[in-house]
Amino acid sequence: QSALTQPPSASGSPGQSVTISCTGTSSDVGGYPYVSWYQQHPGKAPKLMIYEVSKRPSGVPDRFSGFKFGNTASLTVSGLQAEDEADYYCSSYAGSNTWAVFGGGTKLTVL
Amino acid sequence: VQLVESGGGLVQPGGSLRLSCAVSGFTFSTFAMGWVRQAPGKGLEWVSAISGTGSSTYYTESVKGRFTISRDNSKNTLYLQMNSLRAEDTAVYYCAKDRSAVSGKGFDYWGQGTLVIVSS
Repeated sequence: QSALTQPPSASGSPGQSVTISCTGTSSDVGGYPYVSWYQQHPGKAPKLMIYEVSKRPSGVPDRFSGFKFGNTASLTVSGLQAEDEADYYCSSYAGSNTWAVFGGGTKLTVL
Repeated sequence: VQLVESGGGLVQPGGSLRLSCAVSGFTFSTFAMGWVRQAPGKGLEWVSAISGTGSSTYYTESVKGRFTISRDNSKNTLYLQMNSLRAEDTAVYYCAKDRSAVSGKGFDYWGQGTLVIVSS
């Protein structure tokens, strides 16, 4: 199972919005409503930010939103803040033999 | 909710290790669990998952036949037995709780990770 495709980097100034894409296939992203997004600060464990394409866990700011169209999912961070600077990973369920496939990660820099 | 991994360390190629993950704060048997690893400086890679009852297990291709995931619901503990270890298995291994009992709907809680180094 190939990894999902994410841009290696993204950036924006405080207060701006940035969108990170995640491209898969009809066997993963396009085939199931189970796309998740994780935030990881250096040396820390990943944190779930979005699940089931667009739902936010309790405690995640509504500045984070998710969307999917076809085989591509996206994460938008609005009103960028310094603490949003981190690595972001998308993930998708890919069928009964592949519980999860991850993207390569996107390093978000707040300028 | 707490997940605490243990069992990592330095092992020679071809050797074995067993990772454990002790959990608390939720009804363990109700949720699937997984292991996700991260090689130094690299991205996340799903390794294995197990259903809430333990009746179904799943593995990424590169570890099939070498790693075995299991759980003891009476002890609220998840395990990963790793045999025939290779240098490319070197990574931080995270234990993670899935949002569902039987399908990969996202990992909503993660442990702090345990480092496995495979080297002679």
